[in-house]
Amino acid sequence: DTGVSQNPRHKITKRGQNVTFRCDPISEHNRLYWYRQTLGQGPEFLTYFQNEAQLEKSRLLSDRFSAERPKGSFSTLEIQRTEQGDSAMYLCASSSGGSGYGYTFGSGTRLTVV
Amino acid sequence: AQSVTQLDSQVPVFEEAPVELRCNYSSSVSVYLFWYVQYPNQGLQLLLKYLSGSTLVKGINGFEAEFNKSQTSFHLRKPSVHISDTAEYFCAVSGSGGSNYKLTFGKGTLLTVNP
Repeated sequence: DTGVSQNPRHKITKRGQNVTFRCDPISEHNRLYWYRQTLGQGPEFLTYFQNEAQLEKSRLLSDRFSAERPKGSFSTLEIQRTEQGDSAMYLCASSSGGSGYGYTFGSGTRLTVV
Repeated sequence: AQSVTQLDSQVPVFEEAPVELRCNYSSSVSVYLFWYVQYPNQGLQLLLKYLSGSTLVKGINGFEAEFNKSQTSFHLRKPSVHISDTAEYFCAVSGSGGSNYKLTFGKGTLLTVNP
């Protein structure tokens, strides 16, 4: 069990560019979550997958954001036409059941849009 | 919908002193409650959780928390802190029913343990 892996750890991009982040969950976990954390705030829910199905998307996830989890394994989060307001830490977590099982979080991808 | 208020953004304490980090929540449904810890440049780690049963829950690293339904609180305590406890602590809540996949976090409390 190597935990939840996120790549890259850091990403600096120019405004208007597209970026993609990857999350590799714990292999036995069928649930995967994306959260966003800005400075001085707690993580905010973005989206949730059970196996390959995306079951909920937050209103925070505008049309520029898309997430996928092909074959119920790794997940990608893409942001198109990045804006400075997208600068944040993007956290991925996985679990084998609901919240009561406890999430395992990755170390996050820090995005800076310049 | 749920919400969480962490009453202190920063808590400085001396090593070996006791500490309490305060958390209040709001919810119209039954809840699960959690404390997560985030060390610098790392992801969040589950400290402890309340699902049901005994209102006093014990977690890792000597932390414990007490669920108080009447006061809608879930304060975190440790009788004697160490330098290594310096980190950001997040209180979180989820519904206990069908929507129990989504965690709502507070803004966090930065615990700084000084020698």
